Amino acid sequence: AQSVTQLGSHVSVSEGALVLLRCNYSSSVPPYLFWYVQYPNQGLQLLLKYTTGATLVKGINGFEAEFKKSETSFHLTKPSAHMSDAAEYFCAVSVISGNTPLVFGKGTRLSVIA
Amino acid sequence: DAGVIQSPRHEVTEMGQEVTLRCKPISGHNSLFWYRQTMMRGLELLIYFNNNVPIDDSGMPEDRFSAKMPNASFSTLKIQPSEPRDSAVYFCASSLGQGTTEAFFGQGTRLTVV
Repeated sequence: AQSVTQLGSHVSVSEGALVLLRCNYSSSVPPYLFWYVQYPNQGLQLLLKYTTGATLVKGINGFEAEFKKSETSFHLTKPSAHMSDAAEYFCAVSVISGNTPLVFGKGTRLSVIA
Repeated sequence: DAGVIQSPRHEVTEMGQEVTLRCKPISGHNSLFWYRQTMMRGLELLIYFNNNVPIDDSGMPEDRFSAKMPNASFSTLKIQPSEPRDSAVYFCASSLGQGTTEAFFGQGTRLTVV
């Protein structure tokens, strides 16, 4: 079975500072990894995904994530935080084999301080 | 495409009443998921369908919950009778299939049972 652990339920950064949201996964087979963002009173929106190929994945709004198999991690980063980045971020894992949908972490709330 | 459409966006009902949540997935998607989001438990998968067939309903909390997908363009989640602890945001999502493809979420239905 797959699982996701997001370290830190709440992260606070200053505007212009580096954003780092941590995600570790557990999977017995090669995983596919996703980051979603949820703005208040909205559904989840895909930021980026890793399936195969290049381990550094770029997404929307300047976010990127790197798949590190040796560390079983898929941390989300953005060089410079903007006020509009304040939201809840979810990491999710899936696998190509079997019949399992996305498994989500518990989420990390990002606050951006002016 | 209009995306995944859920109705209603908000529902307030009295304990013991029947509640029906509706979802129209993205045309051409063959997988549909119902999730529940609460502060305490995060995002939980309730049930999912492949090609209109329920595959895994192990996440459905009790027999009071039921879900149907009579055709490829419509699904319902019913709670009968409703209880205050059912208060949550319920999301419907659809995808082209498991594994490599991401799930697209609706805006959610905020259910309040008083």
